[in-house]
Amino acid sequence: EVQLVQSGTEVKKPGESLKISCQGSGYSFTDYWISWVRQMPGKGLEWMGIIYPGDSDTKYSPSFQGQVTISADKSINTAYLQWSSLKASDTAMYYCARQVSSRYHSDYWGQGTLVTVSS
Amino acid sequence: DIVMTQSPDSLAVSLGERATINCKSSQSVLYSSNNKNYLAWYQQKPGQPPKLLIYWASTRESGVPDRFSGSGSGTDFTLTISSLQAEDVAVYYCQHYYSFHLTFGGGTKVEIK
Repeated sequence: EVQLVQSGTEVKKPGESLKISCQGSGYSFTDYWISWVRQMPGKGLEWMGIIYPGDSDTKYSPSFQGQVTISADKSINTAYLQWSSLKASDTAMYYCARQVSSRYHSDYWGQGTLVTVSS
Repeated sequence: DIVMTQSPDSLAVSLGERATINCKSSQSVLYSSNNKNYLAWYQQKPGQPPKLLIYWASTRESGVPDRFSGSGSGTDFTLTISSLQAEDVAVYYCQHYYSFHLTFGGGTKVEIK
């Protein structure tokens, strides 16, 4: 069974750093891309970027370039999304999702990681 | 960037009636080399991650009830729920994957009238 399991809820203060994770199982992790999607409270879906764990090829939405870093560790089937200095506006639910290629639909999604940034 | 515009923002439909959601892209998402529309539809229920319903604009994902159908080509697309069921209450999103970056429409909330 294909699964993407994300790390748990985070509560952080502005200026703190954070790295959340998405672990894949039930498929060959290095054969699929992983996208990250943001959903701010009560809002729609925003595509942030994508990584191919096989060679760490990474592409970012212009809206998120320089704001976050996407990485992966193929030895443990895990993709990451990280911030070096959080802002209150980073408060959102973050989803990872699997794709066969970089220009493809997402067939499996993680359960989401809620990040709350508040002083 | 390709902008995806959905309409309406919300709609209320009686049980058993048809629901129609529209999605328009700012440029064609039809890839001429393979004649495929790079367009997907997702369903998101409260407190849940999105779920893939339709891809290549009209191909139903395995396990998705056949009351869900997708149509359209180029820049104009439609998701139709032929006979609305209570469990279909959700927000529906279109997404293009024609080019970077992959953008979503703003979503359409479907409720029971």
